[in-house]
Amino acid sequence: SQQGEEDPQALSIQEGENATMNCSYKTSINNLQWYRQNSGRGLVHLILIRSNEREKHSGRLRVTLDTSKKSSSLLITASRAADTASYFCATADRGSTLGRLYFGRGTQLTVWP
Amino acid sequence: DGGITQSPKYLFRKEGQNVTLSCEQNLNHDAMYWYRQDPGQGLRLIYYSQIVNDFQKGDIAEGYSVSREKKESFPLTVTSAQKNPTAFYLCASSPTGVGTEAFFGQGTRLTVV
Repeated sequence: SQQGEEDPQALSIQEGENATMNCSYKTSINNLQWYRQNSGRGLVHLILIRSNEREKHSGRLRVTLDTSKKSSSLLITASRAADTASYFCATADRGSTLGRLYFGRGTQLTVWP
Repeated sequence: DGGITQSPKYLFRKEGQNVTLSCEQNLNHDAMYWYRQDPGQGLRLIYYSQIVNDFQKGDIAEGYSVSREKKESFPLTVTSAQKNPTAFYLCASSPTGVGTEAFFGQGTRLTVV
């Protein structure tokens, strides 16, 4: 399978704490993306990191990419109850001429007030 | 407002019936995708289309059919040949290109009764 795999499957923290989610993948990639899904809703794009980048920030989000280990992490700082959602990583294969993405199974994050 | 619209939000189907899920986008995107999501699972690709009048099977196309007669529309038909159709279906679109950001609809929850 070319899917990414997120770890942990579930994460429960208190408001104000940081949340870290990891993603491992198997192929050479063009880029890696993180998405958020609220329960029963569609996915929303959070951030994209290219294969030649090592770290990227967007607001309270920090993403790292280690292509030698084929892994990425998503850090959400100072978490809020509204951050409660599932988070998915998705990879775009290097060399592919198509726009398809390969999604992992997601990490369910619960942030308690 | 620009976006991608799926309808209906909830759909009930009797065994043996075909049903069609609607997906419309006004983002002027060339590429459109259909994914299936089961509880605790990632997104699995059913069909995708890179351009009008052309589409390709994804990883789980059996029991499904699509058409792409207009750039804005990519309807998915769940046929009676799909043995386990109860799931959450997500439509997405993206600009042409490798690994571009995908925009998702809000999903259709299909239940076989």
